[in-house]
Amino acid sequence: AQSVTQPDIHITVSEGASLELRCNYSYGATPYLFWYVQSPGQGLQLLLKYFSGDTLVQGIKGFEAEFKRSQSSFNLRKPSVHWSDAAEYFCAVALNTGFQKLVFGTGTRLLVSP
Amino acid sequence: NAGVTQTPKFQVLKTGQSMTLQCAQDMNHNSMYWYRQDPGMGLRLIYYSASEGTTDKGEVPNGYNVSRLNKREFSLRLESAAPSQTSVYFCASSEQRQSTYEQYFGPGTRLTVT
Repeated sequence: AQSVTQPDIHITVSEGASLELRCNYSYGATPYLFWYVQSPGQGLQLLLKYFSGDTLVQGIKGFEAEFKRSQSSFNLRKPSVHWSDAAEYFCAVALNTGFQKLVFGTGTRLLVSP
Repeated sequence: NAGVTQTPKFQVLKTGQSMTLQCAQDMNHNSMYWYRQDPGMGLRLIYYSASEGTTDKGEVPNGYNVSRLNKREFSLRLESAAPSQTSVYFCASSEQRQSTYEQYFGPGTRLTVT
């Protein structure tokens, strides 16, 4: 069965430092890939998505992610973190056949230190 | 455009009580979903409705029922609440067209069962 792994439960980054959040998936074929962000007490908001084509995708709020087929990874990056980026981040995948259901990772909570 | 709305925002139930969580979307999406979010578990799909008139079980359907009332509304019912159903519940909606599988989420309902 398909699965998504986010190996880091918590990450603390200093404001202004770079960020990379890891995501690995388990599928037979290339899935559709998503990163969502959840601010405290809020619903989820889509940051970016990958369906096909260029493996480096740009999203909102200055985030980007790179799909690496050989590593089954879709890591999220930001060159300079802002205090407002503190939130929980979820990676999700969907099969690219039939009806699309998302399978979510367990999330990574980002803390930003001054 | 309100997007996806959910009511109530908070609810406390006693074991054995019943309640219905309401969800509505104004984006004319065909598909709607109910998830639960528990610490360390990410989001898990309870039920979904691919289109008006259809509903299907997700990953964790036991103890829940759903109704797709019309294209806009998708409700989740707990017939006899149990403490294990204490969670945050999210409704989402999406289209199912190529390259537009993004799901839009409501703000959530925080449910406590005592």
